[in-house]
Amino acid sequence: QKEVEQDPGPLSVPEGAIVSLNCTYSNSAFQYFMWYRQYSRKGPELLMYTYSSGNKEDGRFTAQVDKSSKYISLFIRDSQPSDSATYLCAMSKAAGNKLTFGGGTRVLVKP
Amino acid sequence: DTAVSQTPKYLVTQMGNDKSIKCEQNLGHDTMYWYKQDSKKFLKIMFSYNNKELIINETVPNRFSPKSPDKAHLNLHINSLELGDSAVYFCASTATSLNGELFFGEGSRLTVL
Repeated sequence: QKEVEQDPGPLSVPEGAIVSLNCTYSNSAFQYFMWYRQYSRKGPELLMYTYSSGNKEDGRFTAQVDKSSKYISLFIRDSQPSDSATYLCAMSKAAGNKLTFGGGTRVLVKP
Repeated sequence: DTAVSQTPKYLVTQMGNDKSIKCEQNLGHDTMYWYKQDSKKFLKIMFSYNNKELIINETVPNRFSPKSPDKAHLNLHINSLELGDSAVYFCASTATSLNGELFFGEGSRLTVL
């Protein structure tokens, strides 16, 4: 079993819908949680960064961390076709430590 | 002015050959990485260098040899290529002040025939 699990999808939604993504993890030592977006044939780019439990909002994106359940989520409101990409969660035990990635969820937003 | 640039972007070669991938970053970061992304999109760390010093060396065959001539460059040399080496190899960089945020290159897609 991998340390970080993520449904590979694809997750297909109509434009304007809310996209809901999540990851589960097994190592309670993880403290820093990130979401990366990867377009086809491109490198991942950081979307959201959170420390410990709680919520963080940035525009149409909301990240949630529930450390008691070892579960993190990313919500995308008012989804656009340009949000179609693979979304990877990542986490580390300390700031600057190596990141452990989930396998990514492919999202398709249809016009 | 790409922040993290890798060359070549595509590489097709025969089993048994030796090949290199180069990476350069112009962000002034002090830490650089090599990641391997397989066909199922899993990103696995291979190596990390901080100011030219190797700090992370995951369980990677010794056919893979990284080299960092300075903190802005990190190269990856692969000897005796095998079919299982086919993947996309990503270079990434970060700075201590960034709390682990990685900046990735666009990847080098290696196909071993």
